[in-house]
Amino acid sequence: DAGITQSPRHKVTETGTPVTLRCHQTENHRYMYWYRQDPGHGLRLIHYSYGVKDTDKGEVSDGYSVSRSKTEDFLLTLESATSSQTSVYFCATWEGYNEQFFGPGTRLTVL
Amino acid sequence: GESVGLHLPTLSVQEGDNSIINCAYSNSASDYFIWYKQESGKGPQFIIDIRSNMDKRQGQRVTVLLNKTVKHLSLQIAATQPGDSAVYFCAALTQNRDDKIIFGKGTRLHILP
Repeated sequence: DAGITQSPRHKVTETGTPVTLRCHQTENHRYMYWYRQDPGHGLRLIHYSYGVKDTDKGEVSDGYSVSRSKTEDFLLTLESATSSQTSVYFCATWEGYNEQFFGPGTRLTVL
Repeated sequence: GESVGLHLPTLSVQEGDNSIINCAYSNSASDYFIWYKQESGKGPQFIIDIRSNMDKRQGQRVTVLLNKTVKHLSLQIAATQPGDSAVYFCAALTQNRDDKIIFGKGTRLHILP
């Protein structure tokens, strides 16, 4: 494994509460990505980062924000969780024309 | 917008036969492509990649073919084994533009005994 951890691995929360998911890497990769995976939709890019403090939106960024204050950590925040954000969230890292490594995933349930 | 798609959501193949999984992409500027395998309950795992200056690349039992003219790529798995049963995703990247890696929806490969 490439040294990518995600926390928490499972979370159940209520609609309207804030949620922060953490991705931590030990590979010193420049790029980091957050995806969500839902049945019938494959992996959809939420946000990504191309360096410390450099982030950009993906395909499904509404309702999500991210922050990257240091190379090894990439945080995904749901400011006010909704049931439509129930999903499995994957973090990934990449270092250019090379393998993209994925974390183990976080299963989030919003009631 | 930019999209990456697989042609079939499910593919069933006899054990020992070759499997071919297809993928199309929309952005002609995409210059790097990756195939992933995802087993149940796990994150995607890299299989093989190809850059746009190539049209074929081979790995262990896998071959990726890239046709830039029709914006299509395929993953060929030789002598399919039960352990190949998984969901396969293709992904495309446009380097030096926005560095987004966009995934298709995936094809589930079933291996028949």
